[in-house]
Amino acid sequence: EAGVTQFPSHSVIEKGQTVTLRCDPISGHDNLYWYRRVMGKEIKFLLHFVKESKQDESGMPNNRFLAERTGGTYSTLKVQPAELEDSGVYFCASSHDPQGEQYFGPGTRLTVT
Amino acid sequence: DQQVKQNSPSLSVQEGRISILNCDYTNSMFDYFLWYKKYPAEGPTFLISISSIKDKNEDGRFTVFLNKSAKHLSLHIVPSQPGDSAVYFCAASSMDSNYQLIWGAGTKLIIKP
Repeated sequence: EAGVTQFPSHSVIEKGQTVTLRCDPISGHDNLYWYRRVMGKEIKFLLHFVKESKQDESGMPNNRFLAERTGGTYSTLKVQPAELEDSGVYFCASSHDPQGEQYFGPGTRLTVT
Repeated sequence: DQQVKQNSPSLSVQEGRISILNCDYTNSMFDYFLWYKKYPAEGPTFLISISSIKDKNEDGRFTVFLNKSAKHLSLHIVPSQPGDSAVYFCAASSMDSNYQLIWGAGTKLIIKP
């Protein structure tokens, strides 16, 4: 069974540019989550999809972040325009049910300069 | 305000001895707790969990203890092995927040040969 994959693994962009991160969850997992970890700090929840619907987006920092999961399969997280404080590692995870074990992707390291 | 705290950024333990990682939380509504392990350049991997109705859960070399009155949980690894060197994250969730995971900042465990 293939794990959660994320693309790209690294992205370096300038302030004001746009970046789109992609996450492919484990096949059959309805629940998909986005998280962010800023250097050395705790992992912070961004949002949770159940299939194509946003179940909880209370962790999204502001309206520069847009997440989509069209068709309930892969998800994208777009940051537009990027700011310096958006730098960090963005993790995606998926699970079969909300209380169950979440399987994480390797993360995308975003650096905004 | 951090709801889940891991006060030790790092811990060094001799191979073969017991490693004890600690985690404190403030929200009494949390009813499910998890430990994740993370290697560099990889996403977190689920290790072990415990429900608030229990005070201990064991899986091989890993045991998690929960003290609800003290709002404290700990992860015991015995005996510690070199492959256990990683960053360990404590996370907590509650049914009334749709099991959104709230994470600690992590403890880097170093197993010395």
